[in-house]
Order: sequence, then C-alpha cells, then structure tokens
Amino acid sequence: DTAVSQTPKYLVTQMGNDKSIKCEQNLGHDTMYWYKQDSKKFLKIMFSYNNKELIINETVPNRFSPKSPDKAHLNLHINSLELGDSAVYFCASSPWRGQSNTGELFFGEGSRLTVL
Amino acid sequence: RKEVEQDPGPFNVPEGATVAFNCTYSNSASQSFFWYRQDCRKEPKLLMSVYSSGNEDGRFTAQLNRASQYISLLIRDSKLSDSATYLCVVNGRGYSTLTFGKGTMLLVSP
Repeated sequence: DTAVSQTPKYLVTQMGNDKSIKCEQNLGHDTMYWYKQDSKKFLKIMFSYNNKELIINETVPNRFSPKSPDKAHLNLHINSLELGDSAVYFCASSPWRGQSNTGELFFGEGSRLTVL
Repeated sequence: RKEVEQDPGPFNVPEGATVAFNCTYSNSASQSFFWYRQDCRKEPKLLMSVYSSGNEDGRFTAQLNRASQYISLLIRDSKLSDSATYLCVVNGRGYSTLTFGKGTMLLVSP
C-alpha cells in the first residue's frame, strides 16, 4: 500500500490555466505538507497543516491555495499558472509527538508540473 | 548566511571509498537534525536522524557539533547503490518547518 500518494504524477498545461494536485496519506499522521522542488533541486516548504489547520504558510503567491478536507488529505489548487510554477511538487506527512514535529517526513512520489 | 548550507557537489568516488558530507546551519535554536537521501527523479527519504552524541547505522555515521552548528555524514565502503543526493535537514521547535539544504550529489563508480 502506498503510504503517501499524490495525483497526477505528471501535469502539462498552458499558462493561465487552473490545476489541482491531490494528496492522501494512510499513515495516520497529523501533519501534512506541500513542498516545491525547482529546477535547481532546491526543496522548499510551501504549506503545512496539522489536523486540518493551516500552521505554516510560507511566502507563496496567493494563486496557490491548499485545502485539507480531513487530516488524511491535503490538496493544492493553483490558479492562473505561470511559467515559473514549473517544478516538482511533493506532498509529505509526518507524525506529531508532544509539542513538535518529529522531523520524519514521508514524501509522496511527486507531481511534475510543466507550464508551457 | 543561508539557513542550511552543504558542500557543493557532485562528489565522484570509486566503489569502496569513504566519503564525508558536511553541513552547517544558521539557527542556533535548531532542535533536531536529519540526513535524507534523494535518488534521481524520486522523492526524498529519511536516511538517519542525527543525535548529539553521534550515531551509526551500518556504513553510515552521523555527527553533530552544536557549538559549531555543524553536521556531518560519513559513508564508509561506498557502494554503487549509494549514488544519490544527500540532503541535510534541520528542524526547529514546535510548529516549525523542516529546512532542507540544497543537497550534495554523490556518484559512486565501479
């Protein structure tokens, strides 16, 4: 069974379109994330949710909107796509122990977005 | 100073070599530290946590120096399958993000 699954794996679309990426985890973790890995391979946090509550929102254009219907799902919707949005988007989850994130991230396989 | 800095790569080594990766972090309040591994076109995966006293897992040894804000990873007897990018990751306290370094690519050749 896939622990963290995200769809689609590949997405090719035109500038200006709106697209969504879905993520689901079956690990029972409390915290989920979206990371962006650009062409230089730098992995950067975008959003984090803990039990459906947004806890981290890095400096990300408001064209990006995360939604967490329940703690097992975290979707990412992107409006008005731009060329610079081309990247691999990784969903991840982690357990939460006591007062902090344990640091053990479990990543999905990534969604490679190409904007033409 | 960048939050998490790693050696630029790639490191090209022959099988059997010992290779060391270094990492420095800027936030002295950082609480926990990790090494992740990312294969080409795959997702990152946790390789090992880094404990204050240093820790070893088979051929892999991780060290932490809080005073110098420095983390290292040593791989002994390199295998072809060790070829990957190694990411240094630092975590703060509570509702904080895991900050990833840019990674150092390792290429092990026969």
